[in-house]
Amino acid sequence: AQSVAQPEDQVNVAEGNPLTVKCTYSVSGNPYLFWYVQYPNRGLQFLLKYITGDNLVKGSYGFEAEFNKSQTSFHLKKPSALVSDSALYFCAVSYAGNNRKLIWGLGTSLAVNP
Amino acid sequence: NAGVTQTPKFQVLKTGQSMTLQCAQDMNHEYMSWYRQDPGMGLRLIHYSVGAGITDQGEVPNGYNVSRSTTEDFPLRLLSAAPSQTSVYFCASSYLQSGGANVLTFGAGSRLTVL
Repeated sequence: AQSVAQPEDQVNVAEGNPLTVKCTYSVSGNPYLFWYVQYPNRGLQFLLKYITGDNLVKGSYGFEAEFNKSQTSFHLKKPSALVSDSALYFCAVSYAGNNRKLIWGLGTSLAVNP
Repeated sequence: NAGVTQTPKFQVLKTGQSMTLQCAQDMNHEYMSWYRQDPGMGLRLIHYSVGAGITDQGEVPNGYNVSRSTTEDFPLRLLSAAPSQTSVYFCASSYLQSGGANVLTFGAGSRLTVL
């Protein structure tokens, strides 16, 4: 069965420290992987995606993610966290056979402390 | 460019009442969808559409109807509201990229409470 896991409900980091939000997936075929962010009382916003090519993907607001096929992971990273990065982060995956439906993780709440 | 516009932002219903959540996009996106977001449940797809006149069910379609008479609009109808439909609803749209991956543009959400 196709699935996405975000193993941490919440991640806490200090401002200026690097952050990682984890995502693992299970799909048949080649995955298309996404990260979205949701700020309080807002809709989701697209951050970045991986389709093919370079395993390190750069996105909005200084975020990047690394695709690891052997570990079936797509972790979101940022070298230096900002308080304004505090939000809910969602990982999602579709696959080449059915890119009309996304499979979503349950989300990880990121809190960046001043 | 307004993007995806949802109305209303907030609504309170009594059990058994009906209502329609409106969604409009001005980006000429072929694909439109409705999600509900509940604590601990993430995002769940209710219905989606790949073009005018074409709709299909997502993972939680029961209790909801949709139609797509134009490219721009994709209303979600609750025919007889139940407390279990208390949720935050998001409309999202995208281009349909052949062989590619959809990037969704989301509306700001509609918070529905059913008493």
